Amino acid sequence: KAGVTQTPRYLIKTRGQQVTLSCSPISGHRSVSWYQQTPGQGLQFLFEYFSETQRNKGNFPGRFSGRQFSNSRSEMNVSTLELGDSALYLCASSLDKGEAFFGQGTRLTVV
Amino acid sequence: AQSVTQLDSQVPVFEEAPVELRCNYSSSVSVYLFWYVQYPNQGLQLLLKYLSGSTLVESINGFEAEFNKSQTSFHLRKPSVHISDTAEYFCAVTSWNQGGKLIFGQGTELSVKP
Repeated sequence: KAGVTQTPRYLIKTRGQQVTLSCSPISGHRSVSWYQQTPGQGLQFLFEYFSETQRNKGNFPGRFSGRQFSNSRSEMNVSTLELGDSALYLCASSLDKGEAFFGQGTRLTVV
Repeated sequence: AQSVTQLDSQVPVFEEAPVELRCNYSSSVSVYLFWYVQYPNQGLQLLLKYLSGSTLVESINGFEAEFNKSQTSFHLRKPSVHISDTAEYFCAVTSWNQGGKLIFGQGTELSVKP
């Protein structure tokens, strides 16, 4: 069974640009969550999608958005990038509630 | 609101010594608890979980954790560590009404020295 796949693994963007990150969950998993990991703030929850609907949302500005497709694949978009958005972005999938399985992450660097 | 506190940011230990990584949580409802491990430049791997039932849970590589409701703790232990256990460990909490949302502690960096 394939694990959670995140693409791309590494990304360098310039301030003010926008970026889209992709996540393919484990087959059969309907919940996809996104987390931001930084040395200073640790792991912070961004949002969760379940059956194409946002089910939970963390405390991030509106520049951070996401969506989920009918095949459960999810994308996360960050507009008007800031230097502080540099982080490891992790995607996790689960059946519904309970244990989550994480991807390798996308390392975003904003310059 | 739920929260998790990992009491030690760094734990240095010698190989073959025992180790305990401490985790306390706060929640007004029943919880599900997890320990994840992260190696450099990798995602998080589930180490073990408490969903219900026996309060002592074990992983396949010798780690165990005990859910203590009265002390709101979920400490991670291993009787004898190896160099390969060097990594960052995260404690996380969720509950039935949080969907897939996990609240993480700040992490504990375990450094095993020869």
